[in-house]
Amino acid sequence: QKEVEQNSGPLSVPEGAIASLNCTYSDRGSQSFFWYRQYSGKSPELIMFIYSNGDKEDGRFTAQLNKASQYVSLLIRDSQPSDSATYLCAVREGEVRFGAGTRLTVKP
Amino acid sequence: DTGVSQNPRHKITKRGQNVTFRCDPISEHNRLYWYRQTLGQGPEFLTYFQNEAQLEKSRLLSDRFSAERPKGSFSTLEIQRTEQGDSAMYLCASSPPAGSSYNEQFFGPGTRLTVL
Repeated sequence: QKEVEQNSGPLSVPEGAIASLNCTYSDRGSQSFFWYRQYSGKSPELIMFIYSNGDKEDGRFTAQLNKASQYVSLLIRDSQPSDSATYLCAVREGEVRFGAGTRLTVKP
Repeated sequence: DTGVSQNPRHKITKRGQNVTFRCDPISEHNRLYWYRQTLGQGPEFLTYFQNEAQLEKSRLLSDRFSAERPKGSFSTLEIQRTEQGDSAMYLCASSPPAGSSYNEQFFGPGTRLTVL
């Protein structure tokens, strides 16, 4: 069974801090990695995707991928209360598999 | 509106009834996915279409579930003889053809099913 694992949280950080979200996956053949944000009662929306080892930055978000360690992370700098949501890690090798998500709360 | 659309948004049914959901993907996207999501869990893959061909189906999917995409555009997901355990959010997503400059999925708003 191919697995995508995330800490369920909740992760709580103060406003302005860096939030660090982690994800591990079991399938070494995975090629594409995605982070989605999901607000309560809403559908997932894509934040970042990364295909190559290393870091990828987009505004306040940085995705980090280490295929050797089968690890992908998302850093959110200058966290805002509006970032409070569940963050889903998704991995594609053929079909796309999602982790259970990490619930992030940013406290003003 | 050029996003993925799903209908109905909410469905309440009695146990044993059949239900059908519809998904209209983004027009240039030839790949379409169905997922199920329950509270506190990530989306669970159900099935995948490329154009009109159903290429993958979850081994965990009951034979009460069937999906079609007859013309390679919209798709329907039918659940026969619904059970209370089928209560969930059913999400549809689409993505462009393989080899495109991006291959991420875009999700519709979902259909929330409640089985009484």
